[in-house]
Amino acid sequence: AAGVIQSPRHLMKEKRETATLKCYPIPRHDTVYWYQQGPGQDPQFLISFYEKMQSDKGSIPDRFSAQQFSDYHSELNMSSLELGDSALYFCASSFSVRDGGTDTQYFGPGTRLTVL
Amino acid sequence: GDSVTQMEGPVTLSEEAFLTINCTYTATGYPSLFWYVQYPGEGLQLLLKATKADDKGSNKGFEATYRKETTSFHLEKGSVQVSDSAVYFCALSDEGYSTLTFGKGTMLLVSP
Repeated sequence: AAGVIQSPRHLMKEKRETATLKCYPIPRHDTVYWYQQGPGQDPQFLISFYEKMQSDKGSIPDRFSAQQFSDYHSELNMSSLELGDSALYFCASSFSVRDGGTDTQYFGPGTRLTVL
Repeated sequence: GDSVTQMEGPVTLSEEAFLTINCTYTATGYPSLFWYVQYPGEGLQLLLKATKADDKGSNKGFEATYRKETTSFHLEKGSVQVSDSAVYFCALSDEGYSTLTFGKGTMLLVSP
């Protein structure tokens, strides 16, 4: 079965640079979530989109922005990168109960961002 | 706010031993409960879930029962294998919301 695709899988940036992470949800899934997992930490919710509109917002820094496109893929844009942004960034997708789904989230393999 | 508390790890077991990883939760509504597993260097995989009281989720020999009276969702497996070594996360999504709140994770190490 198709899974959530994230690219790139690994990314290395310098401080103050910009990074863009991409997420391709499971086909027919209408909701995308972004999570950040620091080393040895639990995943922390950043932001989510339902039908291309922001649906919920968590602990996402103002330096980060995200959007969901007409084909339902999503991009997380991170500017003015700091050392503390080094983490594993997960995207998850679900098929909303509003559209007859279950809201169960399925995660991608993650993008490991290292800020030097 | 919502929160999930898991037993601290690592949990170290010999192959074929019985596994219990405790998980309790606090939620304002009537949440759905999940166990996710993360193998070394990989992403999070949904292991099992339960959406209402007394529901039992099960998968790959793992089980967890949604206990509303004790606000718990303990993970159990009768006989662990070396391949079960991973980090296990208990999580909830509160009623009306989809966002997941995770516990801190419990590392399981199974030796031959």
